[in-house]
Amino acid sequence: GQNIDQPTEMTATEGAIVQINCTYQTSGFNGLFWYQQHAGEAPTFLSYNVLDGLEEKGRFSSFLSRSKGYSYLLLKELQMKDSASYLCAAMDSNYQLIWGAGTKLIIKP
Amino acid sequence: GAVVSQHPSWVICKSGTSVKIECRSLDFQATTMFWYRQFPKQSLMLMATSNEGSKATYEQGVEKDKFLINHASLTLSTLTVTSAHPEDSSFYICSAHRGRESDEQFFGPGTRLTVL
Repeated sequence: GQNIDQPTEMTATEGAIVQINCTYQTSGFNGLFWYQQHAGEAPTFLSYNVLDGLEEKGRFSSFLSRSKGYSYLLLKELQMKDSASYLCAAMDSNYQLIWGAGTKLIIKP
Repeated sequence: GAVVSQHPSWVICKSGTSVKIECRSLDFQATTMFWYRQFPKQSLMLMATSNEGSKATYEQGVEKDKFLINHASLTLSTLTVTSAHPEDSSFYICSAHRGRESDEQFFGPGTRLTVL
């Protein structure tokens, strides 16, 4: 079957670094997405990885290992506004999105 | 876990025709369903919020007469793209909110619409 796993909740301190992991099993693979979603708002696109490696975009980086079915989102210099849910979604061979349940990130001062 | 399905997964249609996309919550009742549109590598754009038994609330810039939403039951919402044009080609994603039980949204797998 198709499955995405990510932690339900994580807590980190303002100014620190946090890594949110995501493992996936899909029928075929056409890339992995990370979204940020604040309560009551639509998800915001953060990153898309389809090749192995690290993609850096400001304070946010995303990593993909296709052989391991693994991705992570790295957030540096955490700010209070980074408190949100982070959704991992893999696209299968039919270009369908398989969604993780989201990781609620709590930032403490 | 909560599962949301969409049908069809993908559709190709001719310009000027109408296309209906279904969103179903399979194992829970969804008091609210959301319809999103996504262009490649862009954020999900909220189109409308659909509440069971009432009219949908459309976001600014979304034509309600073009994107008809019907939330006929607590497990089904439909989006009909009327008189589709090539610029309507996009990835349409629905999500369902479980209401009082949870603040979580559960996302469907998406429907890829291509208008020729």
